[in-house]
Amino acid sequence: AQSVTQLGSHVSVSEGALVLLRCNYSSSVPPYLFWYVQYPNQGLQLLLKYTSAATLVKGINGFEAEFKKSETSFHLTKPSAHMSDAAEYFCAVPNQAGTALIFGKGTTLSVSS
Amino acid sequence: GAGVSQTPSNKVTEKGKYVELRCDPISGHTALYWYRQSLGQGPEFLIYFQGTGAADDSGLPNDRFFAVRPEGSVSTLKIQRTERGDSAVYLCASSLERVDNTGELFFGEGSRLTVL
Repeated sequence: AQSVTQLGSHVSVSEGALVLLRCNYSSSVPPYLFWYVQYPNQGLQLLLKYTSAATLVKGINGFEAEFKKSETSFHLTKPSAHMSDAAEYFCAVPNQAGTALIFGKGTTLSVSS
Repeated sequence: GAGVSQTPSNKVTEKGKYVELRCDPISGHTALYWYRQSLGQGPEFLIYFQGTGAADDSGLPNDRFFAVRPEGSVSTLKIQRTERGDSAVYLCASSLERVDNTGELFFGEGSRLTVL
């Protein structure tokens, strides 16, 4: 079965520092991978998605993620954190039947000034 | 509205009671999903509708949970004989395409259910 694992339930960075949120997928190569963000008191929204067209994917708000088959990883990065990036981030993959997304447990990002 | 709308935003009930949660998806989205999110966890899949039919209900935890989408638009998640363990945020999402066709899910803000 498809699954994703997010390493680190909580990441803290200073404003302007690099953001790195980790996601590893199960060994069977997934068709697609997604990162979603949930800001406080808001619904989840799509940050970016990997669709096999390119291994480096750019998303909204300056985030990007790189698909690395050799490492079974799809880590999310941003060169310079803003206070407004504080949120919960979820990695997701379609289930085997292609009928739903399976989400990781999430990583809470805190940004300090 | 333009987004996915869920009502109520908050529901407090007593153990053993019946609860209905409503979801109004984005107009034109044929796919609709229900998820449950407990504290400190990611969203957990419950059920997927394509049009009026439940195409995948494998995530429903037991027969106390049921969902309908009679006209292919609004959906209702129904929970019978609620238990304290049912307390969670129930999320609804809709999409134009299936997730394995790169379909983006659009989520509502959720209905927070508390069972006392």
